[in-house]
Amino acid sequence: GAVVSQHPSWVICKSGTSVKIECRSLDFQATTMFWYRQFPKQSLMLMATSNEGSKATYEQGVEKDKFLINHASLTLSTLTVTSAHPEDSSFYICSARALAGGSSYEQYFGPGTRLTVT
Amino acid sequence: AQSVTQLGSHVSVSEGALVLLRCNYSSSVPPYLFWYVQYPNQGLQLLLKYTSAATLVKGINGFEAEFKKSETSFHLTKPSAHMSDAAEYFCAVSEYTGTASKLTFGTGTRLQVTL
Repeated sequence: GAVVSQHPSWVICKSGTSVKIECRSLDFQATTMFWYRQFPKQSLMLMATSNEGSKATYEQGVEKDKFLINHASLTLSTLTVTSAHPEDSSFYICSARALAGGSSYEQYFGPGTRLTVT
Repeated sequence: AQSVTQLGSHVSVSEGALVLLRCNYSSSVPPYLFWYVQYPNQGLQLLLKYTSAATLVKGINGFEAEFKKSETSFHLTKPSAHMSDAAEYFCAVSEYTGTASKLTFGTGTRLQVTL
C-alpha cells in the first residue's frame, strides 16, 4: 500500500529557531500533499495544500511566511516553521494524495511530527 | 462549505459490546465521507470511505458505516468491541468527487474499551 513517512518524528527546538519537517511518499508519486496541524485532544486542521512545482495554497489564518512549504519533487514536501515560538508547539501531520483505484484519489497520512518549542 | 459533526467526544463500551460512533455531515454537493482511526502519537489510518457507491461500506478491523442521505449521517459501527479498538476516531468529508481534495475533519471521538 501507499506509505508516507515524516522526519523527524519528534523535535524540540528553542524559541526563535527554525525547524524543517520532511514528508515523503515512499512508494508512489504525489503531485499534491497536505499539511495539517493537530493540537492536543483536538481535530486536524488543514494548514496548506502543497503542489509539486508550484506555490502552496494556504488556508485562511495560516501565515505563509511563518510556515514555509516546499514541494520540490513528486515524493518530497517540506514544512519549515520559521522563528518558532512556544505557541507553535503542536503535532504536524502530512498526507499525500494518490490514485486509489480508477479515477478515485485518496489521502495517505504520515505518522506525524511532534514539535515542542521551549 | 462542508462540515462534520461528531456527537460525543468520548464513548466507552465494554469489550464485546456494540460500538456506535456518530457522524453527521453538511455538504452542498454529494460528499465523499471517511472514517479514520488515530492511535496515540501516530498519524491517521483509513478505516473506510463512502464514494457514492454502496451506502453500506465495510472497512478494516470489522468496522462498517452506512451513508444515510435523508439523515445526513455516516455513523460508524462494529458489532463487538475489542480492546485494541481503543483509539481516537475521526469522521471527515471531502466535497470534491473523483479527486479527493481537502478533507474537513470532525472533532473526533475517543473510544474507550473496558473489560
